[in-house]
Amino acid sequence: EGQLLESGGGLVQPGGTLRLSCAASGFTFSTYAMSWVRQAPGKGLEWVSAISPTDDMTNYADSVRGRFTISRDNSKGTLYLQMDSLRAEDTAIYYCAKGDSPLPLRHLFHAFDIWGQGTKVTVSS
Amino acid sequence: EIVLTQSPGTLSLSPGERATLSCRASQSVNSRYVGWYQQKPGQAPRLLIYGASSRATGIPDRFSGSGSGTDFTLTISRLQPEDFAVYYCQQYGSSLTFGGGTKVEIK
Repeated sequence: EGQLLESGGGLVQPGGTLRLSCAASGFTFSTYAMSWVRQAPGKGLEWVSAISPTDDMTNYADSVRGRFTISRDNSKGTLYLQMDSLRAEDTAIYYCAKGDSPLPLRHLFHAFDIWGQGTKVTVSS
Repeated sequence: EIVLTQSPGTLSLSPGERATLSCRASQSVNSRYVGWYQQKPGQAPRLLIYGASSRATGIPDRFSGSGSGTDFTLTISRLQPEDFAVYYCQQYGSSLTFGGGTKVEIK
């Protein structure tokens, strides 16, 4: 069964930057779309960003568009989230999540059948 | 953006009872693109249902999903102690959004 392991979270000041990583194992990483989903303290789930299997399509929630950048390295089986211009409202646990199917082709959004354990990001002065 | 509204916010039930959770979309969603998740404290969400009614791998058959258009339902036929958790619906047909969640608590 596949696994995802996030890293890179921590405490950062408003306006700062962080880069999250998500290492995949146990499945063919390059076949599946991937996403980042976050959860603010005591709140629900919020989708952040998605990327296609071959890195040719990306999409972002309005709340992070222009500040966050999703990318992947299929040779390393790793997903990334570059977070710039961080705000207090970006404070959350960030999960990486695997799309449940390689189909339909060219469809960026999926149900998520594998989740990482999450990495905590705190934006505070 | 499609907004998903889950109701009730909290459901208080006893083990063995039937739970019915509702998810209403602000516009019609292709039922191929509706999912349900369970989340327990301190844990990542777990996929229960995809395609509105298909159970994910390893999910017991007491969990079932149904619905179409703007109204979707997750039913837990007989609550087990391990089922008390928060449940989220998701649509992934037009961008991707989650509902606000329903907490199923022990009465």
